[in-house]
Amino acid sequence: EAQVTQNPRYLITVTGKKLTVTCSQNMNHEYMSWYRQDPGLGLRQIYYSMNVEVTDKGDVPEGYKVSRKEKRNFPLILESPSPNQTSLYFCASSFGQGNSPLHFGNGTRLTVT
Amino acid sequence: AQTVTQSQPEMSVQEAETVTLSCTYDTSESDYYLFWYKQPPSRQMILVIRQEAYKQQNATENRFSVNFQKAAKSFSLKISDSQLGDAAMYFCAYRSGENNDMRFGAGTRLTVKP
Repeated sequence: EAQVTQNPRYLITVTGKKLTVTCSQNMNHEYMSWYRQDPGLGLRQIYYSMNVEVTDKGDVPEGYKVSRKEKRNFPLILESPSPNQTSLYFCASSFGQGNSPLHFGNGTRLTVT
Repeated sequence: AQTVTQSQPEMSVQEAETVTLSCTYDTSESDYYLFWYKQPPSRQMILVIRQEAYKQQNATENRFSVNFQKAAKSFSLKISDSQLGDAAMYFCAYRSGENNDMRFGAGTRLTVKP
């Protein structure tokens, strides 16, 4: 089944403890991206990647890191999480660009205390 | 930078009736794409419909259609014959054809009354 697999689904952590949210797609998509969803703000792009070893900042990259060593994987890293990073996170992928629709993972609800 | 505005935080519709969700965007680009995504309580993001800016014809997908007014930078979603399963958060989204930048509106929560 074609899908974007994102883990974990829920995560509670403490301030300053490094964490990684994994994202993997099995559709051979070139484009992958990360978003955070907050009430009243919609989805905001954190980082995106057009292909392996190519990443670019989105709207809200501060406090996040990504890497794209393989085409299928695009992990999101929070080196030192803070409470303002408590949010719902989505990974998404698509073929190339343009009107190719995004395929989303199931989301990760992150709480930083 | 491009912005997407959904001016209706909440909307409600009677089952079987028609409802229109508004979306406006601001851009200086000529190459871009527009989307509507649906997010039910399961929080899964589901593509509803898409429109290429270079196409004048409005996109339709079964009960869902858009009214794309390029000059006005408006991209509204019309849902006909509303069903209980249409209840969800709806997000309008803009994708740049130049740098792939993706922007979402704040969302409209749609309630369908039986």
